[in-house]
This record gives sequence, structure tokens and C-alpha cells, in this order.
Amino acid sequence: DGGITQSPKYLFRKEGQNVTLSCEQNLNHDAMYWYRQDPGQGLRLIYYSQIVNDFQKGDIAEGYSVSREKKESFPLTVTSAQKNPTAFYLCASSPRTGSEQYFGPGTRLTVT
Amino acid sequence: AQSVSQHNHHVILSEAASLELGCNYSYGGTVNLFWYVQYPGQHLQLLLKYFSGDPLVKGIKGFEAEFIKSKFSFNLRKPSVQWSDTAEYFCAVNRGYNQGGKLIFGQGTELSVKP
Repeated sequence: DGGITQSPKYLFRKEGQNVTLSCEQNLNHDAMYWYRQDPGQGLRLIYYSQIVNDFQKGDIAEGYSVSREKKESFPLTVTSAQKNPTAFYLCASSPRTGSEQYFGPGTRLTVT
Repeated sequence: AQSVSQHNHHVILSEAASLELGCNYSYGGTVNLFWYVQYPGQHLQLLLKYFSGDPLVKGIKGFEAEFIKSKFSFNLRKPSVQWSDTAEYFCAVNRGYNQGGKLIFGQGTELSVKP
């Protein structure tokens, strides 16, 4: 069954801790993306990767980091430098850059 | 700055009413256009897309959208809504490969359909 999985669904962390969100896809897609969704603001791009071992900053990359060591995996680390980390995080992939994107179920991160 | 604007934040309709959600974007060149839907508790799903060709695009569940290049618009329509259409709708634009396929999203429109 092809798709994008994100784990965990809910994540709680204390302020000052780094946390890594998982994103895996078995669609054989080249491009992968991380977005952040906040109420009333739509989705904003954090990082994207068009190919393995390469990634670029999106519009709100500060306080986040990513890696793309395997085609199917694109983990996102929310560092302690991110000033407002509590949000809903969505991972997406697309078969090629510029085509439609398919989204995972999301991870809701709460930092207190 | 590049942006996508959705005109309505919250729309309330009765079943069988017609729907039109507005979307405008601010890019001057070639764009790819999308509408996504997020049903309560579910994934963001692609409703329809426009890359080129016929500017009237048909999507899933009876939705359609019309690309009007001169107006920089891509409005979503449905002739008769159902209670099950209650969801949040997002318009999105990307500028293809040279921009990394980045999607720029509108703020979203929450649609509530009364039975």
C-alpha cells in the first residue's frame, strides 16, 4: 500500500530539547517537502529536497534542520533555536519537481 | 512578495447550494495551480490541478476550477454542495522546477455545510 507515513501523530517535548519528526514514502518519489501549518496561515515551506543528498531552505527554515540520505526518508529536526515550535507539521512528496504533491497525515508537535 | 490570496476565511452554506471559492495569485509567469482539501481529521488531499491546456479543470467529487490568466485567478466551484463537503480548502501555486516545485499556499477557506 503506497503512501507517506509520518510518526508519531502527536509529540510532546520540553522547551530546549531538539526533536526529530519522521517522514517515509514508498512512492519512489524524487522530491520531498516539509511544511508547517498554523491556524489561519495556510501551509508554509520549511525545507525541500529534489534529490538524495541535496536539500534547500524554504521560507521558514530558521531553527530547523533536515537530511536526505535515502530517497524514501526525509526527517526533520526541530531544534531548540526554533522560537515557536508548537505546530502541525506536514511532509509531502512529488514524483518530480513541479508536479503535484502528496501529503502525509502530519505530526502535531507541542512544546511546553 | 509572491503570494496566494483566498478571499473567504469561512463560508457557511446549506446543502444543495452552489459553491464558489476565490483564489488569486501574484506571479506573472508560468504557474501550476492546485486546490487541496483537508477533511476533519484526514490528510490533505489533491482536489484538482492545472498545468496547461483547457482552463476549465474538473477534479474529484464534482469540483471544478477555472483558470483565468488575465485575472490571475483559479476559483473553485461546485454546483451543489453536500454535508460531506465540510472541510478546509487550500489554493496553492508553484512555479515549476526552477523554483524547486515549492508550493505557495493561500490561507485556507473553511467550508461548513449545514444539512
